[in-house]
Amino acid sequence: SAVISQKPSRDICQRGTSLTIQCQVDSQVTMMFWYRQQPGQSLTLIATANQGSEATYESGFVIDKFPISRPNLTFSTLTVSNMSPEDSSIYLCSVDVARETQYFGPGTRLLVL
Amino acid sequence: GESVGLHLPTLSVQEGDNSIINCAYSNSASDYFIWYKQESGKGPQFIIDIRSNMDKRQGQRVTVLLNKTVKHLSLQIAATQPGDSAVYFCAEKTGANNLFFGTGTRLTVIP
Repeated sequence: SAVISQKPSRDICQRGTSLTIQCQVDSQVTMMFWYRQQPGQSLTLIATANQGSEATYESGFVIDKFPISRPNLTFSTLTVSNMSPEDSSIYLCSVDVARETQYFGPGTRLLVL
Repeated sequence: GESVGLHLPTLSVQEGDNSIINCAYSNSASDYFIWYKQESGKGPQFIIDIRSNMDKRQGQRVTVLLNKTVKHLSLQIAATQPGDSAVYFCAEKTGANNLFFGTGTRLTVIP
């Protein structure tokens, strides 16, 4: 398994601003993932972040709105840009262990006013 | 793409009883399945997984059953405890593709 931390754990932001969420893992991992979980909903994959390459975005998500960085094998950031109330969600990062099981961080709870 | 769904969105059980949470999937090519538990305010926690070459796998108080004929997955929790109250998600994976998550079942344990 892996121990994953996220910062911030929660935030309240004004519309039109941007927030960068950090994800730190206690071991080197090849693949990191960013998910969105809207209130009362399941998890939706935003993008996959591999170190040394551009992130791969899922349908409905674009780099301009959700830029991702992956500077090394233990760290990634997700930025939620030009926020609107519809971006209010839990944002989760996860890591891929042995290319199968994914372990999740505690999440970042974002409220956009 | 794959479709993963759950039969029951909510489930209430008495403490000490066994719980069964069900999940249907639509992609017969899915070869790996995971159950996650998500408590309020926390991220999903890995519970148990199963590969498609198995039909049953047991952990501590939990058992996952896979029926590939009807594309059905279930999670059984023995002697359910108040600490088991959470939302449970099934997820499926096909080869090297990403995980797809079901809609979730909220389990409430009544003391």
